[in-house]
Amino acid sequence: DQQVKQNSPSLSVQEGRISILNCDYTNSMFDYFLWYKKYPAEGPTFLISISSIKDKNEDGRFTVFLNKSAKHLSLHIVPSQPGDSAVYFCAAILEGAQKLVFGQGTRLTINP
Amino acid sequence: DGGITQSPKYLFRKEGQNVTLSCEQNLNHDAMYWYRQDPGQGLRLIYYSQIVNDFQKGDIAEGYSVSREKKESFPLTVTSAQKNPTAFYLCASRQTGSNEKLFFGSGTQLSVL
Repeated sequence: DQQVKQNSPSLSVQEGRISILNCDYTNSMFDYFLWYKKYPAEGPTFLISISSIKDKNEDGRFTVFLNKSAKHLSLHIVPSQPGDSAVYFCAAILEGAQKLVFGQGTRLTINP
Repeated sequence: DGGITQSPKYLFRKEGQNVTLSCEQNLNHDAMYWYRQDPGQGLRLIYYSQIVNDFQKGDIAEGYSVSREKKESFPLTVTSAQKNPTAFYLCASRQTGSNEKLFFGSGTQLSVL
């Protein structure tokens, strides 16, 4: 039962353009969402998060949007840079729970 | 500087052998986690511990064991009962409060000889 889904295994974007990574979830009780970036053979690093009481959070080039009615969140990266090439995971925390549920990840490739 | 340290970076296991992966944190976090990553898949939770001397099974605990004798340490043992142990193992600790998130170590790649 995959509660957090990233339906696009890969995404290719030209340098300087906007990258949009998507994530869907099934459990309406999730109250906090996070995005992580992962390079090969390294641990994930935290990028940005959003509480379920908000619909947008911005940090520099990264913006996360949350649409609770659609149970959908997205990560926008603009402008995209070569160093953004990595696997991106979305994750969700269930209200009152002690663990994060991760999506399958999307591999983003930024082309020069 | 603060963070999570996993060792070794690479580990090889022989048939029937138990191996232990180390995870140490100096972030003073109560909760710690072990995840497994397989190619093309997300992070799957093996075990987690919310406090010293307490731990709970995650989604794929079979063939693994953990201990939490100290706040700073959360070692994972991959036993011979784990039939498909080859994977990238990630340890994390949790920062709670207004900026809740997991901090991850750099991972251990376990392979079977």
